Amino acid sequence: GIQVEQSPPDLILQEGANSTLRCNFSDSVNNLQWFHQNPWGQLINLFYIPSGTKQNGRLSATTVATERYSLLYISSSQTTDSGVYFCAVGGAETSGSRLTFGEGTQLTVNP
Amino acid sequence: DGGITQSPKYLFRKEGQNVTLSCEQNLNHDAMYWYRQDPGQGLRLIYYSQIVNDFQKGDIAEGYSVSREKKESFPLTVTSAQKNPTAFYLCASSITGQNIQYFGAGTRLSVL
Repeated sequence: GIQVEQSPPDLILQEGANSTLRCNFSDSVNNLQWFHQNPWGQLINLFYIPSGTKQNGRLSATTVATERYSLLYISSSQTTDSGVYFCAVGGAETSGSRLTFGEGTQLTVNP
Repeated sequence: DGGITQSPKYLFRKEGQNVTLSCEQNLNHDAMYWYRQDPGQGLRLIYYSQIVNDFQKGDIAEGYSVSREKKESFPLTVTSAQKNPTAFYLCASSITGQNIQYFGAGTRLSVL
């Protein structure tokens, strides 16, 4: 099956700093989503981005499908950005409905 | 409010016992999913269903069973055959064709 690798595994920032999280995947995809898991375990959709670039406030994401990677940018980080960020992908063979998750990036933003 | 409701939040299982986790959605989504998350790891797919009365095994289906008798409901049973059931269980749903998955708040299962 499709493999998903996220980097870095852990990231510690001071409030106000910018960061880039990376997601590499092993095969062509027609579904890619970024999620934020808060300390209580709730997963929140950030982006549905199988290709292209999207922005939502301080967050933006870019997926280069031909090179099999996606980037999540967080600017002017806040303590509430802390948590785990997951990339999840769906391959063309499953019509994109099944998602394979990476291991996540644990982000800690200190005041 | 529209959303996905999982219950209970916390569940304890005794040795040899089957337990059932509830997942209900009022989003009118066709597809529903069950994932397992172990500490410090990503989510792994247990079962999914794209339509009522049909479901498919995911990557780690052994020791679990599901049913999909109603569009709104997709309960997961953790059977006694699942020898390591302690984990965080997450239910999700999506509109078929859109593929954006939305998650419930999860159930934490522990073994007594």
